[in-house]
Amino acid sequence: QVQLVQSGAEVKTPGASVKVSCKASGYTFINFYIHWVRQAPGQGLEWMGIINPSTGSSTYSQRFQGRLTMTSDTSTSTVYMDLSSLKSEDTAVYYCARGPHHCSSGSCTSYFDYWGQGTLVPVS
Amino acid sequence: SSELTQDPAVSVALGQTVRITCQGDSLTTYYASWYQQKPGQAPVLVIYGKNNRPTGIPDRFSGSSSGNTASLTITGAQAADEADYYCNSRDNSGDPYVFGPGTKVTVL
Repeated sequence: QVQLVQSGAEVKTPGASVKVSCKASGYTFINFYIHWVRQAPGQGLEWMGIINPSTGSSTYSQRFQGRLTMTSDTSTSTVYMDLSSLKSEDTAVYYCARGPHHCSSGSCTSYFDYWGQGTLVPVS
Repeated sequence: SSELTQDPAVSVALGQTVRITCQGDSLTTYYASWYQQKPGQAPVLVIYGKNNRPTGIPDRFSGSSSGNTASLTITGAQAADEADYYCNSRDNSGDPYVFGPGTKVTVL
């Protein structure tokens, strides 16, 4: 079965960096994009970025430009999300999610079908 | 940047039907996907594409779209359906993906 297993919670201080891992299993790793989504306490979901695990190519939300780096390791089927210069407003649960992308008859559909369990990153 | 809007909260009587809407310019081009999230849990995909349900999602969940509005309908709401629901869409302006702010569904 498809699983995305994330690394554990990390407490950080302002100005530090955090690197969260997301290990995939149960499917062909290089065939699906991986997205990162975060959720601040009591708030909604926020899309952060996407990585193609096969090529390592990534696109980030404008909100995180310059602070966010996503990488992939095909030998371990793991993607990483590295967020630097942390602020208290970065306190959130960070999720990875698998992102199928289908095109048919000129119409494309994208969604997030499997999610990791989430990683809590308090910044204080 | 583009935005998706949702009603903050809706309530439905047990066994009745509730429709949750999501509005945004991007929805005239792209289908929305819908996610259910219960407290302390990761989101779960309930609807994607024109009206597709992942394996394991009850058929009381359905999706539709008209113009710039996507809708998620729960027909015969159950207590287990009480949760936050988020829509998401691709976007051609700003960030390539965007979430709506979420709708809290209360089953009375």
